[in-house]
Amino acid sequence: TQLLEQSPQFLSIQEGENLTVYCNSSSVFSSLQWYRQEPGEGPVLLVTVVTGGEVKKLKRLTFQFGDARKDSSLHITAAQPGDTGLYLCAGSPLVFGKGTRLSVIA
Amino acid sequence: ETGVTQSPTHLIKTRGQQVTLRCSSQSGHNTVSWYQQALGQGPQFIFQYYREEENGRGNFPPRFSGLQFPNYSSELNVNALELDDSALYLCASSSILAGVDEQYFGPGTRLTVT
Repeated sequence: TQLLEQSPQFLSIQEGENLTVYCNSSSVFSSLQWYRQEPGEGPVLLVTVVTGGEVKKLKRLTFQFGDARKDSSLHITAAQPGDTGLYLCAGSPLVFGKGTRLSVIA
Repeated sequence: ETGVTQSPTHLIKTRGQQVTLRCSSQSGHNTVSWYQQALGQGPQFIFQYYREEENGRGNFPPRFSGLQFPNYSSELNVNALELDDSALYLCASSSILAGVDEQYFGPGTRLTVT
């Protein structure tokens, strides 16, 4: 069974700080997605990474796929309260981590 | 472009009852997946439907069943409800031809079993 471990589980930071969350597995994935979910809503796709070592940027968010395609990280620069939410990584096929719950305090 | 819609939004059922949840996929998508998300957890894959047939299943008992219709909409049926079935049920559509599993989620149905 493929598993994705996310860390940290919870993160509370001040507005303007930087942070990194991690998604790790012992399995190789053909692709990996990051989603953000807000309370009472479904997850929203942020990015897909496919190639080992790939780096993608989405405004203040930087996503990296490990060289061996077993892990990924999400780095947020100068976090804002609007970044608050549950960040989920998902591997293909259809395996989700438990998520990192981020709270950014103004 | 119409996104994924789910109905109902909320539902309260009694243990032992049966429930049907509905999902309309995003236009242009041919695959529907269902997930169960317990409070504080990530989504757990229940099953996926492609071309009206089950195309993969997670670790859920047979009392969880589904259908996909020719217009790619889908139903999730749960029989003999148990208290632990209380969760947010998410439907996601995707295009199996796209080559990667990018899931586009609906807002979910919050099921409470008492």
